[in-house]
Amino acid sequence: SQTIHQWPATLVQPVGSPLSLECTVEGTSNPNLYWYRQAAGRGLQLLFYSVGIGQISSEVPQNLSASRPQDRQFILSSKKLLLSDSGFYLCAWQGTSGRGSTGELFFGEGSRLTVL
Amino acid sequence: AQKVTQAQTEISVVEKEDVTLDCVYETRDTTYYLFWYKQPPSGELVFLIRRNSFDEQNEISGRYSWNFQKSTSSFNFTITASQVVDSAVYFCALSEAFANAGKSTFGDGTTLTVKP
Repeated sequence: SQTIHQWPATLVQPVGSPLSLECTVEGTSNPNLYWYRQAAGRGLQLLFYSVGIGQISSEVPQNLSASRPQDRQFILSSKKLLLSDSGFYLCAWQGTSGRGSTGELFFGEGSRLTVL
Repeated sequence: AQKVTQAQTEISVVEKEDVTLDCVYETRDTTYYLFWYKQPPSGELVFLIRRNSFDEQNEISGRYSWNFQKSTSSFNFTITASQVVDSAVYFCALSEAFANAGKSTFGDGTTLTVKP
């Protein structure tokens, strides 16, 4: 069966420090991968998605970047965090089929980032 | 642009009551997917259901049922005989079909509290 893990679960970082959140998927090949951010009391906002190794699409201009060095690994990074980067970050994978995709997302446990 | 509106920010019911969570969407796409996700206090989003825009059959799964009405652009979720374990934040989401299906637009969520 497929599983997805992301870490760290919680982190507190000072403004201006770097960030690296990691997500790995097991049990599937060539998944589409996504980073979403959830602000407090709000829905999810799509940040990045990837359809393959080295292929990254950004949905929202921001202080963050993403990379996909391996088929089942997705990394969210920042060189210098801002206060506004605080939030709950969720990695998700999506299955693919012959016609494209089945649509539903399967999420990791989430990473709660507090920037002070 | 796509938009999902969940007008109910918070709902509180007593155990065994029925409760309906409303979802209204906007899209210019002729083919699209609709989803419901559950976010328990642990934070991880759990996929509940996907509906295709070309399939307006309502669906029932145990105590859960979904009413999709294309004419009113609504995709409502009813929990029958609610239980304390149903307490969570519920998100309705919308995406294009096929290749972009994982790029979902989420509503702001409805926080459901079921009291014993």
